Amino acid sequence: DTGVSQDPRHKITKRGQNVTFRCDPISEHNRLYWYRQTLGQGPEFLTYFQNEAQLEKSRLLSDRFSAERPKGSFSTLEIQRTEQGDSAMYLCASSPGDFRSYEQYFGPGTRLTVT
Amino acid sequence: AQSVTQLGSHVSVSEGALVLLRCNYSSSVPPYLFWYVQYPNQGLQLLLKYTTGATLVKGINGFEAEFKKSETSFHLTKPSAHMSDAAEYFCAVTAGGATNKLIFGTGTLLAVQP
Repeated sequence: DTGVSQDPRHKITKRGQNVTFRCDPISEHNRLYWYRQTLGQGPEFLTYFQNEAQLEKSRLLSDRFSAERPKGSFSTLEIQRTEQGDSAMYLCASSPGDFRSYEQYFGPGTRLTVT
Repeated sequence: AQSVTQLGSHVSVSEGALVLLRCNYSSSVPPYLFWYVQYPNQGLQLLLKYTTGATLVKGINGFEAEFKKSETSFHLTKPSAHMSDAAEYFCAVTAGGATNKLIFGTGTLLAVQP
């Protein structure tokens, strides 16, 4: 296992710009999650994919946010018209679809700074 | 709805001392409980988990936690702290179901003094 990878690790952008993050889950993990972590807080759930289907979205995921998982492999999270409040660490996690489906393995995160 | 409360946002111990990080949960269904550790600018690493069965669970790096249903608690302990244990620790709960999404506490930052 190479683990969950995320790219980029850091992103600095100006307010109003669009950004896109990528997550590559552990191979053969069919469940994929995105979380957001702000300073001093625990991660908060954003959205969940099972294979290519997006099955749940948090109210935190405003219309400016969109996530995809084409072909059920890697996933992208796009934020349009970024705002300073979007500054956070964006974490991706994956889990297997079997009896261990509750075990989530996290990537290193993408730290977004909106100036 | 599920929730997690971590008492003490900062805990400081001396090297070699007992580590005790507190976690209380609320869940309307039998919970699955987790402790994760996060080092600066890194993702989360699973320390240990409770699903069913034995209420005392052992994890990596010498940590263990005990599920106490009557107290709705899942405190994390380690008999002897090492400098390398300094990190932020998060307790999380999931009720399973279709998504198994995790609900995290606000974290406890552990400092280890030499």
